Parts: sequence; structure tokens; C-alpha cells
Amino acid sequence: AQSVAQPEDQVNVAEGNPLTVKCTYSVSGNPYLFWYVQYPNRGLQFLLKYITGDNLVKGSYGFEAEFNKSQTSFHLKKPSALVSDSALYFCAVRDITPSGAAGNKLTFGGGTRVLVKP
Amino acid sequence: EAGVTQFPSHSVIEKGQTVTLRCDPISGHDNLYWYRRVMGKEIKFLLHFVKESKQDESGMPNNRFLAERTGGTYSTLKVQPAELEDSGVYFCASSRWTSGAYEQYFGPGTRLTVT
Repeated sequence: AQSVAQPEDQVNVAEGNPLTVKCTYSVSGNPYLFWYVQYPNRGLQFLLKYITGDNLVKGSYGFEAEFNKSQTSFHLKKPSALVSDSALYFCAVRDITPSGAAGNKLTFGGGTRVLVKP
Repeated sequence: EAGVTQFPSHSVIEKGQTVTLRCDPISGHDNLYWYRRVMGKEIKFLLHFVKESKQDESGMPNNRFLAERTGGTYSTLKVQPAELEDSGVYFCASSRWTSGAYEQYFGPGTRLTVT
């Protein structure tokens, strides 16, 4: 069964500093990986995804994520955090089997709360 | 285009009562998903519709939960009778394509509180 781990419940960072939110995954085949963000009183918003190709994926709001197959990680990064980046971040995976069959459900990590202080 | 909408945004009911949650997907999206986040834990899959058909309902916790999508447009999720452990946030998502490469678009969620 596939799983996602976000080892940090909360990440605190000063505005202007680099932000990293960690994610590791476990799947039986090749993964499709996603990051979502939830701002207060809002739904989940898609940030970026890794399907294939370049290991560095760029997404919305200046975020990027690096896929590392050997470490089974997909950490989310932003070079310079803003106070407005304070939110709840979720990593998710969809499992793709070698035969190409794709499950459709997303498996999420527990979420990481990011607090960016001025 | 309008996003995924959910109603109500918040529902407070007593144990044993019935609640029906509604989800309107993005127009043209055949795929509709239900997820829930209980007690601040991870978001878990409940089920997946393709048009009006249930493609995967492996995440439905028990037979107190009934999801429908008549006509392949909006969907309802009924909990009857509600139990305390059903409290949480119920998210609906939709996508145009079934392929795993395509992201799902989520609604704002319905916060369900069972007292």
C-alpha cells in the first residue's frame, strides 16, 4: 500500500529566509506526486506536481519541489518565504503500476503547518 | 470557470441524526472524489465517481455512509446515523480526466461536528 510521510507537524521560518517542507513516500510502482496548500478557511489548492522528466518541478507562488527517487522524497521549497505563505501544506501521491494502470485516489501526508514570521 | 463548491460549509448535528453534504464539481469534470480529514489527521480517500458510476468506494468507512451522483453532475454524501467519530472536514474534488497525471481540484470542504 502506498503511503506519504510529512515528518514535521510545523515549520517556523523568518520572512525572507528559505522554506523547506519535507515529504517522503512509499509506492509499489512509479509515483505521481503532488503538493497542495490550504489557506485558512479555504479549500486545498494545487501547487505543483511531478509526473516524469526533470526532477526539479516549478509551481505556483514561487514554490518548487525536488523529486529524489533514491531517497523517495519530494520536498517542497521556496527560496524566500513570505508571511502570506503561512498555511497548511499537504504532500500526496498516486500510484502508477509498471503496466501503466493508475489508481485515481490520492494518498496524503498528515500535513505540515508553515508559519512565516515577519 | 467556477471552482468546486460544497454545501454546507459547516454542520453541527447530534449523534444519531442524519446529515447530507453536497458537492458541485467543476462543469465538465466527469470525475468526482470525496475525501475527509478526521481529527487533524491525514486526508483520506472515501470514493470516486466517474460520471454517475462509483469507480472506487474502497475508502467508505461503513454502511452509514451513502454517496450518490444522480445524473453525473452534483454529488451528495449522506451520513445516517451520524456518530461522534464522523466529525471532521469532508472535501470534494473533481478532475476532467481519469489519468493519474491530472491534478484534482478541491472544494473548500464541509466541517461536520457531531455532538
